[in-house]
Amino acid sequence: DSGVTQTPKHLITATGQRVTLRCSPRSGDLSVYWYQQSLDQGLQFLIQYYNGEERAKGNILERFSAQQFPDLHSELNLSSLELGDSALYFCASSVATHPGTSVANVLTFGAGSRLTVL
Amino acid sequence: GQQLNQSPQSMFIQEGEDVSMNCTSSSIFNTWLWYKQDPGEGPVLLIALYKAGELTSNGRLTAQFGITRKDSFLNISASIPSDVGIYFCAGQRETSGSRLTFGEGTQLTVNP
Repeated sequence: DSGVTQTPKHLITATGQRVTLRCSPRSGDLSVYWYQQSLDQGLQFLIQYYNGEERAKGNILERFSAQQFPDLHSELNLSSLELGDSALYFCASSVATHPGTSVANVLTFGAGSRLTVL
Repeated sequence: GQQLNQSPQSMFIQEGEDVSMNCTSSSIFNTWLWYKQDPGEGPVLLIALYKAGELTSNGRLTAQFGITRKDSFLNISASIPSDVGIYFCAGQRETSGSRLTFGEGTQLTVNP
């Protein structure tokens, strides 16, 4: 158990629908990251939050949005779903927001949420 | 898109053999990390490297941070069946904060 909790583990839905993925970071971690992993591909950075505020944005579609709540958990909202959105969505957390010299700045990943859009 | 070139894309080896994989980039990275991902799971950190030239071991795993700060390699010695999985290199850059840029991954298969 990495300490990063993601729900749901599996989700099957239809095109055009909207889903919400949830992430609870490790205790003490203030920064949350969302990554997308499509079939046979590496991990693509979507978005990062630090202590409730958006810190960095990657290749996140306009149909997707995220937020981090005061208790530091985060939600990734995916709307108007398309077949190509089927993927594993990973949440990761870390203590800080900058490259550092200790493992505190290293990302710890959850087990992922597998989204299937039919 | 990806900024880290990881090779090889896949490897098929016999149990007991040594394995080597590497990652290169056109950009300088401040931190190099190696993760392993098992099927249906999230990436798990294997080794973290923080200084150019640093050589770090974790059991049968050894990784090095290239002196140019644009590359890293991972070696696995005396492979065992449970080494099977996808190995990812990842880097952190000062200009990108703590977020990670990942390589494409190396799929390792170990035949008993």
